[in-house]
Amino acid sequence: AQKVTQAQTEISVVEKEDVTLDCVYETRDTTYYLFWYKQPPSGELVFLIRRNSFDEQNEISGRYSWNFQKSTSSFNFTITASQVVDSAVYFCALSGRETSGSRLTFGEGTQLTVNP
Amino acid sequence: DGGITQSPKYLFRKEGQNVTLSCEQNLNHDAMYWYRQDPGQGLRLIYYSQIVNDFQKGDIAEGYSVSREKKESFPLTVTSAQKNPTAFYLCASSISGIASVFEQFFGPGTRLTVL
Repeated sequence: AQKVTQAQTEISVVEKEDVTLDCVYETRDTTYYLFWYKQPPSGELVFLIRRNSFDEQNEISGRYSWNFQKSTSSFNFTITASQVVDSAVYFCALSGRETSGSRLTFGEGTQLTVNP
Repeated sequence: DGGITQSPKYLFRKEGQNVTLSCEQNLNHDAMYWYRQDPGQGLRLIYYSQIVNDFQKGDIAEGYSVSREKKESFPLTVTSAQKNPTAFYLCASSISGIASVFEQFFGPGTRLTVL
């Protein structure tokens, strides 16, 4: 079975603070993929990043960065110098290629509120 | 512009009625998916389709039905057998790969309320 845990239900920060959203996953597959999505108040999920299990290199995209550590089964997401527009629900998702094909297993999400 | 459209945005249904939610994509993706999202929760997979004329049940398929007669279209019917259909429904599509799993792109969603 696959599982994604986002232990932080809600996070509230003040603008310009850095914030890290945690994601811990479980899978028995040797080949798997991890994703992060953003869901603003409008409701539509916006794709942020895809990472496969063989690529542990951290990635940075503007104010966003991701830390993938297979040793701890974590794929954490950091927003640097947060802005009010970052307020949204963020979902981490997992797909094990052998057991689930293209199906995604989502975490429960973390509600991020950035206050001015 | 390429993307996924869902209609209607809001839908109200009386108990005992079937309703159909529309999902159309012009991304030329082979795979399409339907998810249900309840307040404060993650997404749960209802049905998915990897190719035209074929689809599989997801984790919560009971009370729902789908069809995939065209590549661009994957309508979802919420039947009267679905006991608690009030939720936010999201449609997604992706490239279908044998050796890889690709990101899914989502539509704007349909909010269904049973009166």
